[in-house]
Amino acid sequence: ELKVEQNPLFLSMQEGKNYTIYCNYSTTSDRLYWYRQDPGKSLESLFVLLSNGAVKQEGRLMASLDTKARLSTLHITAAVHDLSATYFCAVVSNYGGSQGNLIFGKGTKLSVKP
Amino acid sequence: GAGVSQTPSNKVTEKGKYVELRCDPISGHTALYWYRQSLGQGPEFLIYFQGTGAADDSGLPNDRFFAVRPEGSVSTLKIQRTERGDSAVYLCASSLTGLAGAFFGQGTRLTVV
Repeated sequence: ELKVEQNPLFLSMQEGKNYTIYCNYSTTSDRLYWYRQDPGKSLESLFVLLSNGAVKQEGRLMASLDTKARLSTLHITAAVHDLSATYFCAVVSNYGGSQGNLIFGKGTKLSVKP
Repeated sequence: GAGVSQTPSNKVTEKGKYVELRCDPISGHTALYWYRQSLGQGPEFLIYFQGTGAADDSGLPNDRFFAVRPEGSVSTLKIQRTERGDSAVYLCASSLTGLAGAFFGQGTRLTVV
């Protein structure tokens, strides 16, 4: 059974600082997604990582994937208040050979303070 | 429409009643997913459709939950004999092939009283 663990679950940062969120998963998968969720809103897709060594960047966020270590990181550079949200990683689970569903971590609630 | 549409946005029902939640995916998306999200938790997988068929229904918690997608587009999640523990936000997502990233709807907040 695929398990996805994120840490930390809560992160309080000061504006301008850097930090990294970690996502570990328990079984082989070659596709990983990062989503953002604002309070009371649905999930917004941030990154899709499709291969070992994949790195993607958008603004102050950079995501990477190491499939051998079963680890993805979401790095935040020079945080700003607008980045305050909950961030989820999700990993594709293979079931019966189908290209299947996404299994989510519990999320990292990020709060960026002035 | 441009995105995944879910109706109703809010549903309050009495314990023991039957409810239906509807999802209109993005046009042309063959893969459709249902998730349930409780407060402070990540989305919990329920069921995944590829076209009209359920490719993976391993997340449905028990036989009170059922979902259909008869024409490969709109999907309905059906919950019988609702219980207070069913209260959550039910999220629907769709993707082009199941290999691409999934786009989520705004969710239906179900409250069982």
